[in-house]
Amino acid sequence: DSGVTQTPKHLITATGQRVTLRCSPRSGDLSVYWYQQSLDQGLQFLIQYYNGEERAKGNILERFSAQQFPDLHSELNLSSLELGDSALYFCASSGTLLVFGQGTRLTVV
Amino acid sequence: AQKITQTQPGMFVQEKEAVTLDCTYDTSDQSYGLFWYKQPSSGEMIFLIYQGSYDEQNATEGRYSLNFQKARKSANLVISASQLGDSAMYFCAMSPKQGGKLIFGQGTELSVKP
Repeated sequence: DSGVTQTPKHLITATGQRVTLRCSPRSGDLSVYWYQQSLDQGLQFLIQYYNGEERAKGNILERFSAQQFPDLHSELNLSSLELGDSALYFCASSGTLLVFGQGTRLTVV
Repeated sequence: AQKITQTQPGMFVQEKEAVTLDCTYDTSDQSYGLFWYKQPSSGEMIFLIYQGSYDEQNATEGRYSLNFQKARKSANLVISASQLGDSAMYFCAMSPKQGGKLIFGQGTELSVKP
């Protein structure tokens, strides 16, 4: 157990819908990172938050947004979903090293 | 721009033998970190080993060691005494500094044969 908790583990939804993925970082970690893993793009960095503030942005679509709350948990919101958004979404947190949650497997049908 | 290259999409190794997974990187930073992660078929990303760019000795963690050759910009993972449970995808990654965002390679799928 990495200490990083992601919910839900699996999500199936229809095109055009909106979903929220949740992440609780490891105790004591202030940074949260979101990654998307798809077959064609590999592991892509989406966004990083540090203690509630956005720290870095990667290849995140405008339809996607994230935030980190005062209790340090983070949510990734995906809207107007397309078939191509089907992927494994990872949250990771870091103190010294980056540790990943188990991921949320999103399937858009 | 930083880049990680893993040139072996797939590899086979006999159980109990050693195997080397290749990783080369490109960066203009002086300070950076190199990581290896294992992703079994269940999907989770498991941290294996870390090497800092200023570390003089190669990192080791149990059966895993990182062959760090700074001048060649390579950070190969060596798994000794392979086990069936080592069958998985292996990703090499780089961070501009310890704890920063990671850039991943495309991965190498390792299959261990009994």
